[in-house]
Amino acid sequence: QVHLVESGGGVVQPGRSLRLSCAASGFSFSAYAIHWVRQAPGKGLEWVAVIASDGGNKYYADSVKGRFSISRDNSKNTLYLQMNSLRIEDMAVYYCVRDGGWQKYFDYWGQGTLVTVSS
Amino acid sequence: QYVLTQPPSVSGAPGQRVTISCTGTNSNFGADFGVHWYQHVPGRAPKLLIYDNTNRPSGVPDRFSGSKSGTSASLAITGLQADDEADYYCQSYDSDLNDSWVFGGGTKLTVL
Repeated sequence: QVHLVESGGGVVQPGRSLRLSCAASGFSFSAYAIHWVRQAPGKGLEWVAVIASDGGNKYYADSVKGRFSISRDNSKNTLYLQMNSLRIEDMAVYYCVRDGGWQKYFDYWGQGTLVTVSS
Repeated sequence: QYVLTQPPSVSGAPGQRVTISCTGTNSNFGADFGVHWYQHVPGRAPKLLIYDNTNRPSGVPDRFSGSKSGTSASLAITGLQADDEADYYCQSYDSDLNDSWVFGGGTKLTVL
């Protein structure tokens, strides 16, 4: 079955960088667009970024544009999120999520990895 | 603020029927983008419940149903069970906000 396992979360100071990874298995990774979605403490879900199946097209939420970069390595079935210039408001659980197709929904989610931004 | 509007909480007794509303705008629901629903038990991965307004993925019980009309949508849960207690989110796509995926603020369902 589909598995998405995030890693790389931790405690980081404001202004510093962190890179998240997501290991995928159980499906043809290179055939799917993949997203990052986050949930700040006590808040709802927020879409962060998406990357096309071949890595060609990438889109970002305005809140992270210019600071975060999404990438993938289809040979390793792995998705990445490079987060630079981190802010307090970036503190959240980050989920790796498979794209459901042209209807623009999310069909499988990982368990998430917690990013804490604190001085 | 969230692009889609949901009530913060709903509640119901076991066996009852509850509905959760989700209100959008002309740039998402009104532009014919579908509504999708997720169940999220804190500490676990969110789960897709309904996609493209009314469709249930394999394995989701038919106690869960969705509907959409104009710029409004709703999720109905019948025969409420204790393990339905969770946060429920609606989601769509918005053509005005730099083409982005958008969520409601979430609704906490309490089973009394």
